[in-house]
Amino acid sequence: DGGITQSPKYLFRKEGQNVTLSCEQNLNHDAMYWYRQDPGQGLRLIYYSQIVNDFQKGDIAEGYSVSREKKESFPLTVTSAQKNPTAFYLCASSTKSGSSYNEQFFGPGTRLTVL
Amino acid sequence: AQSVAQPEDQVNVAEGNPLTVKCTYSVSGNPYLFWYVQYPNRGLQFLLKYITGDNLVKGSYGFEAEFNKSQPSFHLKKPSALVSDSALYFCAVSTGGGNKLTFGTGTQLKVEL
Repeated sequence: DGGITQSPKYLFRKEGQNVTLSCEQNLNHDAMYWYRQDPGQGLRLIYYSQIVNDFQKGDIAEGYSVSREKKESFPLTVTSAQKNPTAFYLCASSTKSGSSYNEQFFGPGTRLTVL
Repeated sequence: AQSVAQPEDQVNVAEGNPLTVKCTYSVSGNPYLFWYVQYPNRGLQFLLKYITGDNLVKGSYGFEAEFNKSQPSFHLKKPSALVSDSALYFCAVSTGGGNKLTFGTGTQLKVEL
């Protein structure tokens, strides 16, 4: 899982609560990403950030928020507006070579369960 | 828009036999193609990528993939499967070196003795 850490490994949330998932990388990568994985659906991009203090919505950003105050950190908040948040969440990062991005490296994931 | 299809939900192969996990894609522009592997309750591990150059790409753990522009496909192969290769495999594509990856739905590989 390289130099990317995610915490906690398991997270339980009651309906109506906001929760924040942590993602930290010590790879000095410029770009960071959040994906959601559901059985049989592959990975879907929630948010990504190419540089500090800037981020873009992915394909399923509704009900989620992020910040990128430091290069090493890209926390994801799952808000109460997310209707079906139970899933496995994966953080990734990548470097840039010229104008192209290299392969993404993934953290170990956080499994979120809504009770 | 870009898309990836992995037509087989599961592939079963006997240990020692060759394996193939299929991937087809659709992009406008030059594709950047990737294969990742995932073990249960773990993150994804990078196996190999095609950017440009030789159509046959060699990667980690004895895996290789062949880029075929005309089909278009990027099938993952290994000459001799191991039980430890049993895992979930994902194909992904981006265009022009961009950082937005589109993933397939995954193929579960099961290697049996």
